[in-house]
Amino acid sequence: ELKVEQNPLFLSMQEGKNYTIYCNYSTTSDRLYWYRQDPGKSLESLFVLLSNGAVKQEGRLMASLDTKARLSTLHITAAVHDLSATYFCAVGGLENQGGKLIFGQGTELSVKP
Amino acid sequence: DGGITQSPKYLFRKEGQNVTLSCEQNLNHDAMYWYRQDPGQGLRLIYYSQIVNDFQKGDIAEGYSVSREKKESFPLTVTSAQKNPTAFYLCASTALADRTTEAFFGQGTRLTVV
Repeated sequence: ELKVEQNPLFLSMQEGKNYTIYCNYSTTSDRLYWYRQDPGKSLESLFVLLSNGAVKQEGRLMASLDTKARLSTLHITAAVHDLSATYFCAVGGLENQGGKLIFGQGTELSVKP
Repeated sequence: DGGITQSPKYLFRKEGQNVTLSCEQNLNHDAMYWYRQDPGQGLRLIYYSQIVNDFQKGDIAEGYSVSREKKESFPLTVTSAQKNPTAFYLCASTALADRTTEAFFGQGTRLTVV
């Protein structure tokens, strides 16, 4: 059964600090997504990671994938208030699983001055 | 512009009523999904469909039903059997054969029982 776990679930950071969100998953998958959700809104795509060792960066966010460890990380560099949101990872999409796509519990990030 | 559209944005249901949430996409995606999100919680999978006329139960399918008669459409019915339907419902779609494509989400439907 495909399970996805994120940690931490809540993260309170000061502006300018660095931190990492972790996403562990239980079975083989050929794709991993990171999303951002602002309060009351839908999900916005951040990254698609497809292969072992994949690294993608956008602004202060960098995502990486280790398929052997079944682990993805989302690293935040020099956090700013605008990054406050909930971040989700999602795994799945395999056709032999009917394309099942499962999300982690989300990490609620609060960046304070 | 291509995209995925959910309607209505807000929906109120009386006790014992069935209601249907619409989800339409013009992205030519084969897979479509319905998720439920409760306040402060993650996304839980209700149903998903890989091809037309076929769909599978997710983790919380009880009290819900779906159909996939057209590739573009994947409506969700919340039946009276769903005892606690108040939640934010999100529909998504993706192209399974194209690994570079992320899952796209609609804007969501907020359902409230009155």
